[in-house]
Amino acid sequence: AQTVTQSQPEMSVQEAETVTLSCTYDTSENNYYLFWYKQPPSRQMILVIRQEAYKQQNATENRFSVNFQKAAKSFSLKISDSQLGDTAMYFCAFKGLDTDKLIFGTGTRLQVFP
Amino acid sequence: DSGVTQTPKHLITATGQRVTLRCSPRSGDLSVYWYQQSLDQGLQFLIQYYNGEERAKGNILERFSAQQFPDLHSELNLSSLELGDSALYFCASSVTGGRVVNEQFFGPGTRLTVL
Repeated sequence: AQTVTQSQPEMSVQEAETVTLSCTYDTSENNYYLFWYKQPPSRQMILVIRQEAYKQQNATENRFSVNFQKAAKSFSLKISDSQLGDTAMYFCAFKGLDTDKLIFGTGTRLQVFP
Repeated sequence: DSGVTQTPKHLITATGQRVTLRCSPRSGDLSVYWYQQSLDQGLQFLIQYYNGEERAKGNILERFSAQQFPDLHSELNLSSLELGDSALYFCASSVTGGRVVNEQFFGPGTRLTVL
């Protein structure tokens, strides 16, 4: 069974600085998808970025980028130029090729300080 | 606004009771998913419906059941409620499913409190 592990329960960063959130996963599949979701205090789940395992190039979305290391089964999220609005819970999620369900990690609470 | 609506936003009930949570997917989305988020935990997949049919089941308790209606809205029924059922219940929808990865759009959630 696939598992997703986020080993940092809480992180903090100063505004305008860069922070990296860690995620590791376990799977025997070769092709799959990985996601980072943001959950602000409003509790809304918002997709931040996604990565297809068959693509070697790391995904980027504006200030958000990932470091995808397939052999190490690692999928970290880098937030550049952190903003106060980035304060939220961040969840890493896995989706296999033959299933629609998302498997989530336990999340990292990120606090951005002014 | 994701386009997915959930009602009610909050629900407070007592142990042993039964409640129904409702979800309306985005227009055009055929798949509906239900997830449970207990306090400070990640989301746990409960069940998925695709165009009215059950497609996948997670660790959903036997006391819980769901269905998707012809108009594609879905309901999650929780019965014989226990204190541990207190959680945020999310509904998500996507266009299709399977090997084509379509983004799952999440609703705002229903906060269930069992007293």
